[in-house]
Amino acid sequence: DSGVTQTPKHLITATGQRVTLRCSPRSGDLSVYWYQQSLDQGLQFLIQYYNGEERAKGNILERFSAQQFPDLHSELNLSSLELGDSALYFCASSDSPRGEQFFGPGTRLTVL
Amino acid sequence: EDQVTQSPEALRLQEGESSSLNCSYTVSGLRGLFWYRQDPGKGPEFLFTLYSAGEEKEKERLKATLTKKESFLHITAPKPEDSATYLCAVLNTDKLIFGTGTRLQVFP
Repeated sequence: DSGVTQTPKHLITATGQRVTLRCSPRSGDLSVYWYQQSLDQGLQFLIQYYNGEERAKGNILERFSAQQFPDLHSELNLSSLELGDSALYFCASSDSPRGEQFFGPGTRLTVL
Repeated sequence: EDQVTQSPEALRLQEGESSSLNCSYTVSGLRGLFWYRQDPGKGPEFLFTLYSAGEEKEKERLKATLTKKESFLHITAPKPEDSATYLCAVLNTDKLIFGTGTRLQVFP
């Protein structure tokens, strides 16, 4: 158990819908990262927050957005969902922007 | 462009048969190389961090080494429970760039 929690575990929704994924980092970690993992693309970095501020952006679509709240938990919002958005979404946390990242169990998103 | 390439894509070993997994990288300004283990449907599990060429880290049957262009994950006398996908990632400024992994199967 890495200490990072993610909810929900599974999410099934329809195209065009909007969903929110939630992540609670390990106690004391200020950095939160979001990744997408699909079968054909591997783990892709989406976005990073450090102590509430956006710090780095990867290949995140404009339909996706994220934020980190004062209690350090983070949410990833996915809107106008497409079939191709079906994937595992992982959250990770670290105690510093360049420290080891510890991953949560993931949210499996299925878009029908 | 920063890139991480892992080989082989898949590896089948008999229990006790030692081998090595390769991770080659091109990155402008390496700030660390990380190894993770991932079981199907689970989140990656942190194994090692290496920061400079010549560095080595060990944990049970696993040993990670780093040169200026690549890293190796050596598996000594593997057991079936070592079966998993092993991911390599490099840290460039603040972004972690992952390879596509080596899927290891160890059979009795």
